[in-house]
Amino acid sequence: DTGVSQDPRHKITKRGQNVTFRCDPISEHNRLYWYRQTLGQGPEFLTYFQNEAQLEKSRLLSDRFSAERPKGSFSTLEIQRTEQGDSAMYLCASSPFQGSLNTEAFFGQGTRLTVV
Amino acid sequence: KQEVTQIPAALSVPEGENLVLNCSFTDSAIYNLQWFRQDPGKGLTSLLLIQSSQREQTSGRLNASLDKSSGRSTLYIAASQPGDSATYLCAVRPIISGANNLFFGTGTRLTVIP
Repeated sequence: DTGVSQDPRHKITKRGQNVTFRCDPISEHNRLYWYRQTLGQGPEFLTYFQNEAQLEKSRLLSDRFSAERPKGSFSTLEIQRTEQGDSAMYLCASSPFQGSLNTEAFFGQGTRLTVV
Repeated sequence: KQEVTQIPAALSVPEGENLVLNCSFTDSAIYNLQWFRQDPGKGLTSLLLIQSSQREQTSGRLNASLDKSSGRSTLYIAASQPGDSATYLCAVRPIISGANNLFFGTGTRLTVIP
C-alpha cells in the first residue's frame, strides 16, 4: 500500500484553460475527499464520495468544478475556465468505512495549481 | 458552523525543548480530532487520531490530549529536533447530519533551531 497518490504534483495553466487532477486513494478505502488549501490557511472541504456516489459538495465547489469517481476507485477533479483565484493546493484524502464516520483520514501529497 | 483555532500561529524554539501546540474548537459534538504535520509545499501526514471518548494518544515523542467539553486539544512534542520543523494542523470531524468532512485550523508553523 503506497498511500494516497495524486497526479500531477504541479500544474501551471493559463487563465481560461481547463485542468484535471487525479487521485488514487488507498486501496479498499471507500471514502474519498477533495480539499483546497490556499497559502497560510487550513484545507477547506470541497466534496466527498462514498464509493462512486458523490454524497456531499461544498458551496466552494462552483459550477466550474466537477468531480467524479466512476468505478469507486480513483477520482478526478476538473476545473473549467480556470481563474487566478483557483490557484491553490488541491488535496485528496481517503478513509476506510468502519460503520461510522469515526475513522482516520489519510492525505495525498497534493496538486499545486498556479493559474497565470 | 464548527470553527477551529490554533495558537500560536508560529513558534520558534531551540533544539531539545519540550513544547505545546494548542487547538480549540467551538462545537464539542465531534467524532474525533486529528493532528497533522505539513512540510512546505507538501501534503498532510497524519500524526495522531483521538476519538471523542479518549483523553489522549501517544506516538513516540508526541502526545495529544483532548478535552471535548472545553473544546480544546494540545499536542505536546518532547525533546524537539530540527526535523520537527513544519506546520502542524489540527482538524475535527463534527457529528452533524450530512457532514462527512474535517474542519481544520490554520496551523502552527514550528521552527526548531539547531
